[in-house]
Formats: sequence, structure tokens, C-alpha cells
Amino acid sequence: SQWGEENLQALSIQEGEDVTMNCSYKTYTTVVHWYRQDSGRGPALIILIRSNEREKRSGRLRATLDTSSQSSSLSITAAQCEDTAVYFCATDGGSAGNKLTFGIGTRVLVRP
Amino acid sequence: NAGVIQTPRHKVTGKGQEATLWCEPISGHSAVFWYRQTIVQGLEFLTYFRNQAPIDDSGMPKERFSAQMPNQSHSTLKIQSTQPQDSAVYLCASSRTSGSAETLYFGSGTRLTVL
Repeated sequence: SQWGEENLQALSIQEGEDVTMNCSYKTYTTVVHWYRQDSGRGPALIILIRSNEREKRSGRLRATLDTSSQSSSLSITAAQCEDTAVYFCATDGGSAGNKLTFGIGTRVLVRP
Repeated sequence: NAGVIQTPRHKVTGKGQEATLWCEPISGHSAVFWYRQTIVQGLEFLTYFRNQAPIDDSGMPKERFSAQMPNQSHSTLKIQSTQPQDSAVYLCASSRTSGSAETLYFGSGTRLTVL
């Protein structure tokens, strides 16, 4: 899972498989963002889940949020090669107007 | 909409030189953020502006880093007396408002290499 002093995690899967990555955060958050970053590009938002939601879906993406354990997960169903990227979670530290703090990221490689 | 534009894409400086990085946010966005990305530290928040006013610079190294937003169409990050440890990708992002549920739109970054 992401956060703290952990190194960047790496996952390698076959095309068509499902993949889940986890994010643990240290302080209360009103929202969890999930971004993906392609090589040479800036991160781009793929899904956002608010603290009053337990699950959010968008196409092949599913995000979950467990505020009691301060953790979130992102799942990709039937991964495609184009899903290869680094995925970050980000939280706001509990203030709706606060800046986002990003996790260390999970590198996902989808093999053909 | 061209997105957030950062220039230059790559910058190489010698130790002790100054580096100025430029960011043009998306038109109409009121919040501009600067982050620094390294392999070791990941994405680190540096500073952000709302309606051109500095709001939070808690991530800025105090002595050599400064950021400005002189008008709504651009922001600059200046690093004086650059050091090798300043080598990183500097990312600028803008959002419609500064609310934390707002999407951050990132530029492609400026890769700074300090020799």
C-alpha cells in the first residue's frame, strides 16, 4: 500500500486480469483522489471518492473508502496494456479547502 | 484548452546558479499549486495560490525557494543558488477553485537537473 516511508510499490499483471492497489492515510480526509501518471506527463485524476461514500465506480475503475481504518483502494477490472502507469492516492488532511497530500504511488505494469 | 503549460520542459543549471520555472494555468482557474516530484520523496507539496494570493507555502524550503503569481495567467517558481538536491521534476497544477474535492490539472512538469 502507499504512504509514509514505503518505497514505490510495483505490480505486474497480465492483460485481462484484475488489479487492486491500496492506500492508507494518516489523518482524516474529506475526500480521496486517485490519479494516474504516465511517463513524462503530470498526474491526471481518474476517480474521486468522498468521505461519505464507501464505493465509487467509473467504467472499469472501482474505488473504496473505509474511514474507520483510514484506507482506500483502487481496483481496475480486466486491465489493458494502456492501464500501465503509476497510480497515486491523495488526501486533504481533513480540511475541505486544503492542499492535497500524495502517497508514494503504485507502479502498475500490464503485460500483453 | 491547452491545459496547464509549463516551461521549460527541461532545465540544466550549474550548482549555485538561479533557476526560474514558469507555469500558465488553465484559463478561469483560481487556484495554482506547485509540487516537486522525486523518486525518493514522491510528490511533495510546495505552495499554492488562490486568486493570485499566496495561501500556503508550508512545503517551500525557506531560504532559496520563492514563488509568485503576478497575474492570473502565470506563476513562477524561482530557486536561487541551486543545489544538486534540488534536482527534481517540478509540477504545476491548477484547479477551478481551491476546494479539496476539485480536480487538480497538472502540467507535464519541468525537469530540473543541477550539476
